[in-house]
Amino acid sequence: GAGVSQSPSNKVTEKGKDVELRCDPISGHTALYWYRQRLGQGLEFLIYFQGNSAPDKSGLPSDRFSAERTGESVSTLTIQRTQQEDSAVYLCASRKETQYFGPGTRLLVL
Amino acid sequence: GIQVEQSPPDLILQEGANSTLRCNFSDSVNNLQWFHQNPWGQLINLFYIPSGTKQNGRLSATTVATERYSLLYISSSQTTDSGVYFCAASYNQGGKLIFGQGTELSVKP
Repeated sequence: GAGVSQSPSNKVTEKGKDVELRCDPISGHTALYWYRQRLGQGLEFLIYFQGNSAPDKSGLPSDRFSAERTGESVSTLTIQRTQQEDSAVYLCASRKETQYFGPGTRLLVL
Repeated sequence: GIQVEQSPPDLILQEGANSTLRCNFSDSVNNLQWFHQNPWGQLINLFYIPSGTKQNGRLSATTVATERYSLLYISSSQTTDSGVYFCAASYNQGGKLIFGQGTELSVKP
């Protein structure tokens, strides 16, 4: 595809449920990033994958958050036992030289 | 870690006016990017500019790395320029980006 794609576009869930968010990076981009954007705020870094190196998980806010990436393709971000404070837009980016962002997944935890 | 501060937080312009947005960063950086987040939430790359000056149409950017600031210039603003402008920096080109809080621009017809 021409850009980074993410699914679902929107997700409404109940507190305590698990959610899985998907990111398809631009083909050929070796690096992939997840960020979170709360309403009216800037983006917060969550996790970074680069090739076969160990991911940089330094931004994950708690052990309820985890992410995986298969090779240099799709990544999934999983949030377990969701809380209302997890409500935000989750953005994925991929990079060859600079970072290009997907449209995001808008998560609402009721 | 790097701190990124943007000013002003909000800006209202009349169509056709010019504006300057500022980004200060607290440490030496090897990656500095400007983004425009449109009203639908999509982040659009404007410039990769760790140093020097670049121009793209009505937009231009200058980063003075030794003084730890970057400026984004918008000339002859249009209503489609409305949205939030973010500056983001990292220690290295490949690393995580640290974002400022953004400047929300509203261009009135």
